[in-house]
Amino acid sequence: GAGVSQSPSNKVTEKGKDVELRCDPISGHTALYWYRQSLGQGLEFLIYFQGNSAPDKSGLPSDRFSAERTGGSVSTLTIQRTQQEDSAVYLCASSLDIAGGRETQYFGPGTRLLVL
Amino acid sequence: GIQVEQSPPDLILQEGANSTLRCNFSDSVNNLQWFHQNPWGQLINLFYIPSGTKQNGRLSATTVATERYSLLYISSSQTTDSGVYFCAVRNYGGSQGNLIFGKGTKLSVKP
Repeated sequence: GAGVSQSPSNKVTEKGKDVELRCDPISGHTALYWYRQSLGQGLEFLIYFQGNSAPDKSGLPSDRFSAERTGGSVSTLTIQRTQQEDSAVYLCASSLDIAGGRETQYFGPGTRLLVL
Repeated sequence: GIQVEQSPPDLILQEGANSTLRCNFSDSVNNLQWFHQNPWGQLINLFYIPSGTKQNGRLSATTVATERYSLLYISSSQTTDSGVYFCAVRNYGGSQGNLIFGKGTKLSVKP
């Protein structure tokens, strides 16, 4: 596709339920990133994938959060046993690479998650 | 970890005015990007500029890496420039993929 796409656009769930958020990066981009943006706040790094390397999970806030990237393309962010503090906009980005001047990140429209 | 401070936090302009947004960072960086988040939440990359100067239309940016700051210039502002401008950096020795974002400058351009 022309840009990064994310689904769903909006998700309302009940506390304790699991949710899956999907990201389709720009074709040919080897790096994929997940961020979280709480209301009125900046962006908080969660995890990134680059090629076949092990993902950098250093930003995941708890073990309820996990992500995978299948076939070097689509990624899924899973939040288990959701809590109200998980409510935020989850943003995905991709870039050609993570070095060599090819690190420009392109963002998707985000998934707005509301945990009731 | 590296600290990123943006100023001013809020800025109100009349259409046609010029402005300068500043990003200070506390350590050496090998990646610096400026983003615009429009009122609908979409983040658009404006510049990848770890050093030097770039221009794109009415926008230009300068990063002085040795002095640990970057400036974003907006000339002849338009109402469509409204939104939040974020600076994001990666420092040497930091995680390759981990951009650290500042808290942003919220710009409102009045007609």
